[in-house]
Amino acid sequence: DSGVTQTPKHLITATGQRVTLRCSPRSGDLSVYWYQQSLDQGLQFLIQYYNGEERAKGNILERFSAQQFPDLHSELNLSSLELGDSALYFCASSGDSYNEQFFGPGTRLTVL
Amino acid sequence: AQSVSQHNHHVILSEAASLELGCNYSYGGTVNLFWYVQYPGQHLQLLLKYFSGDPLVKGIKGFEAEFIKSKFSFNLRKPSVQWSDTAEYFCAVNRAGGYNKLIFGAGTRLAVHP
Repeated sequence: DSGVTQTPKHLITATGQRVTLRCSPRSGDLSVYWYQQSLDQGLQFLIQYYNGEERAKGNILERFSAQQFPDLHSELNLSSLELGDSALYFCASSGDSYNEQFFGPGTRLTVL
Repeated sequence: AQSVSQHNHHVILSEAASLELGCNYSYGGTVNLFWYVQYPGQHLQLLLKYFSGDPLVKGIKGFEAEFIKSKFSFNLRKPSVQWSDTAEYFCAVNRAGGYNKLIFGAGTRLAVHP
């Protein structure tokens, strides 16, 4: 157990819908990262927050957004969902500058 | 731009065979290097990491990796694999210096037969 929690574990929804994925980092970790794992794209960095502020953006679609709250948990919002958004979404957290990132169990999103 | 290349997409071994998985990265500056493992249906777990110092690093479950700066490589090794090592292995890199995103390789699926 990495100490990073993600909910829900599985999510099945329809095209055009909007969903919210939640991540709670390890206690004390200020930095949260979101990654997408799909068969065709592999593991791709989406976005990073540090202590409530967006710090880096990767291959994140405009339909996707995220935020980190004062209690440091983070949410990834995916809207206007398409079939191709079906993937495993991982959250990771890091608490020191060496960047060892601890991954949560992931949320498996299926868009039908 | 940073990139990571893993040479083998699928590896099949018998138990007790030796393992070496190749990883090369492309980046001009100082990097941190990682190997993660993903067992079937599970999340990513850190096997080992290199930040600085001794280029031969030892991780969990008998794995080790060697950083060769001149070759931009960070190959993963294990002298004798077990059936329980069946998993997908990811090499990753990030820029040294604080709170930076990880760039992952495409992964290598390892199947170990008893």
